[in-house]
Amino acid sequence: AQSVTQLGSHVSVSEGALVLLRCNYSSSVPPYLFWYVQYPNQGLQLLLKYTSAATLVKGINGFEAEFKKSETSFHLTKPSAHMSDAAEYFCAVTFAGAGGTSYGKLTFGQGTILTVHP
Amino acid sequence: EAGVAQSPRYKIIEKRQSVAFWCNPISGHATLYWYQQILGQGPKLLIQFQNNGVVDDSQLPKDRFSAERLKGVDSTLKIQPAKLEDSAVYLCASSLGQGRTGNTEAFFGQGTRLTVV
Repeated sequence: AQSVTQLGSHVSVSEGALVLLRCNYSSSVPPYLFWYVQYPNQGLQLLLKYTSAATLVKGINGFEAEFKKSETSFHLTKPSAHMSDAAEYFCAVTFAGAGGTSYGKLTFGQGTILTVHP
Repeated sequence: EAGVAQSPRYKIIEKRQSVAFWCNPISGHATLYWYQQILGQGPKLLIQFQNNGVVDDSQLPKDRFSAERLKGVDSTLKIQPAKLEDSAVYLCASSLGQGRTGNTEAFFGQGTRLTVV
């Protein structure tokens, strides 16, 4: 079974400060990992994904994440926060299923609301 | 490229009434998902279709929820009768879903916000 834990339901940073959103996963098989962003009253937009290639993944809007197997983590970072980054962020995991299981199904964390102060 | 279309955007119903949501995925996407997102939680998969067949409906409350994707394109999710705890955002997503790989990106619609009073 897969699960995702996002540490901190709310994170607040000042504009220009480092953004760090934490995600730990549990998976019995090699995972594929994703970060999505959700703006108010909008759907989910993919920021970046890890699919067993490079462990440091760069995404849109200056975000990046590093897959650390030994720590079962996939934390999201951005060197300098912008006001437009204020949103809710979700970490999600899936895997290449075998035996006809539901591949592509995403298991999401509970989300982290990022607030950016001027 | 058009995105995933959902309607309606908002719906308010009384408990025990029925409601239906519609989703039109991105053209050519074989896989379609319905997720339920309760306020303060991450989305939870309700049902996954591969073309017009159900791949996973293990978390669908089948006594009140039903979904279909008859021609392998658009899909309808129905709730009958609705309960207060069904208040949530219902997100539809689609992906290419080619082959047995989990790394096909899912594209999400804007969702339907359901309020049951």
